[in-house]
Amino acid sequence: NAGVMQNPRHLVRRRGQEARLRCSPVKGHSHVYWYRQLPEEGLKFMVYLQKENIIDESGMPKERFSAEFPKEGPSILRIQQVVRGDSAAYFCASSPRQGANGNTIYFGEGSWLTVV
Amino acid sequence: GIQVEQSPPDLILQEGANSTLRCNFSDSVNNLQWFHQNPWGQLINLFYIPSGTKQNGRLSATTVATERYSLLYISSSQTTDSGVYFCAVDPLYNQGGKLIFGQGTELSVKP
Repeated sequence: NAGVMQNPRHLVRRRGQEARLRCSPVKGHSHVYWYRQLPEEGLKFMVYLQKENIIDESGMPKERFSAEFPKEGPSILRIQQVVRGDSAAYFCASSPRQGANGNTIYFGEGSWLTVV
Repeated sequence: GIQVEQSPPDLILQEGANSTLRCNFSDSVNNLQWFHQNPWGQLINLFYIPSGTKQNGRLSATTVATERYSLLYISSSQTTDSGVYFCAVDPLYNQGGKLIFGQGTELSVKP
């Protein structure tokens, strides 16, 4: 997990508010992944992005969740109108190339979202 | 899709003991990684090991890709080894680095 920076580390939102989680990948990495860890569960893939493109969003809930990785700046995971079930740890990861072909994927320290 | 199963689900050790954690996967993979999630929730990369054996201090890992399993060895365990150990694989059929995680082994090392 060298160098993947996530913020905020902890975020509290009331039901109905928006949550924005930011991720700066390891310098030079152009591939970003978001994972979610619900309480007492393992990590589940949400979305895979390259600069300005969503490559695979098969793990994203169909509503209220969106992700972007702009040409400049960090990747953003946005959750609109949060509900209690969105409370979880959200991990960002990055790799220098597509994760296959022998590339270690590095994880950040996570952002813990609590919805009250 | 690919299934990733870890065993045992829970493990309690006395400090100084050795242990072996197992990860079975049901299909061919490009990538296999072991992670340690400490009690504060941080996820630490331990090994990138799609095949072969690697060692790092008191930890070592072996993956036998042809038989679809990986083992993580912890020797002379310390209380700081406590936490959850995850195995994660990138299936061969994936287009990208979408890791599939096992459910983890929760390790508690008692002083």
